[in-house]
Amino acid sequence: KQEVTQIPAALSVPEGENLVLNCSFTDSAIYNLQWFRQDPGKGLTSLLLIQSSQREQTSGRLNASLDKSSGRSTLYIAASQPGDSATYLCAGYSGGYQKVTFGTGTKLQVIP
Amino acid sequence: DTAVSQTPKYLVTQMGNDKSIKCEQNLGHDTMYWYKQDSKKFLKIMFSYNNKELIINETVPNRFSPKSPDKAHLNLHINSLELGDSAVYFCASSQWGSTEAFFGQGTRLTVV
Repeated sequence: KQEVTQIPAALSVPEGENLVLNCSFTDSAIYNLQWFRQDPGKGLTSLLLIQSSQREQTSGRLNASLDKSSGRSTLYIAASQPGDSATYLCAGYSGGYQKVTFGTGTKLQVIP
Repeated sequence: DTAVSQTPKYLVTQMGNDKSIKCEQNLGHDTMYWYKQDSKKFLKIMFSYNNKELIINETVPNRFSPKSPDKAHLNLHINSLELGDSAVYFCASSQWGSTEAFFGQGTRLTVV
């Protein structure tokens, strides 16, 4: 059974700092991993999707990597801004059909 | 244009009542999902439908019954609501074969 863990649970950083969010999964058979941000009252927004054949994806100030052998994914945020404050969730796709397991999330606060 | 829309956004109801949450997607996807997010922000899949057929049915009480009248809609009906049903429920859609999911804004259900 797939389990997804995110560390840290909460993170507070000053504006401008680079940061890394971690996601660990137990089932190496994972074939895709997706990062989301969740804003209060706004639901989930997809940030990056890394397919099994890829090792990383980049979008603007965001870079996500996937290492299936170690069961880890990281989300790197460069030059953090107050607008980045949100909860970040990773989700692993595994199984014979589209079964998604979400992590518990990391609540990020960027202080101006 | 909202890709995945859920109604209502907020729902407060008494124990024992029956309620429905509606979900519609205009992305032309053939797969839709319901997720439950508990108080610890942990997202768990409840149901998955592909072309109106039930694909995933996780361990969910029989009081929860999804209904998919067509590929663009997946409604969630809940009978005899209990306090423990209080949570945020997310609807999502994707195209079978692609694991990039699009989420609705969520429905915050409060049972009193």
